[in-house]
Amino acid sequence: DAGITQSPRHKVTETGTPVTLRCHQTENHRYMYWYRQDPGHGLRLIHYSYGVKDTDKGEVSDGYSVSRSKTEDFLLTLESATSSQTSVYFCAISSGQGNTEAFFGQGTRLTVV
Amino acid sequence: GDSVTQMEGPVTLSEEAFLTINCTYTATGYPSLFWYVQYPGEGLQLLLKATKADDKGSNKGFEATYRKETTSFHLEKGSVQVSDSAVYFCALSYSGGGADGLTFGKGTHLIIQP
Repeated sequence: DAGITQSPRHKVTETGTPVTLRCHQTENHRYMYWYRQDPGHGLRLIHYSYGVKDTDKGEVSDGYSVSRSKTEDFLLTLESATSSQTSVYFCAISSGQGNTEAFFGQGTRLTVV
Repeated sequence: GDSVTQMEGPVTLSEEAFLTINCTYTATGYPSLFWYVQYPGEGLQLLLKATKADDKGSNKGFEATYRKETTSFHLEKGSVQVSDSAVYFCALSYSGGGADGLTFGKGTHLIIQP
């Protein structure tokens, strides 16, 4: 299994509080991604990174920010959590070379009350 | 923009039945196509992929053929097992998951009954 660790695995937080989710990889892959999974929507890309300090927005980036200060860590921050951000969040990594696959973490279930 | 359409289900079959999960896509270029599987409580795992037209991906008895003329990548298996119960996602990418990431369908929940 690819070395991807997401933390925390479960979190309940209150509306308006900041939340940071962490993704850690041991594969030294260049690309890292944050997706959210919601019923009826599949997985949607929030933000991605193509190198240290190099990030870009995905399809549903509003209300989220990211940072990548080291190759192995990619942080997703909800500056002020809302109930619409209740979801399961997945981190993924890819070497991006040719047509290689993306590897996914186990997911973080976030509930905003 | 690019998109992937697949039946959402749930699809319920008996063990040893033949499985087809339809997937069609809309893309401006020539993407790579993927099927991912998600077992309960887990992340997504790559099941199979195809990188160009007429390529066939296969793994664990599952197959899918990249049909450019019909913009389709239907997933098939000749005889399903209870252990195949999961959610299956069709996806496309222009660079194998690198750069811009994957565009997913909404997922098909498959339930296999003994």
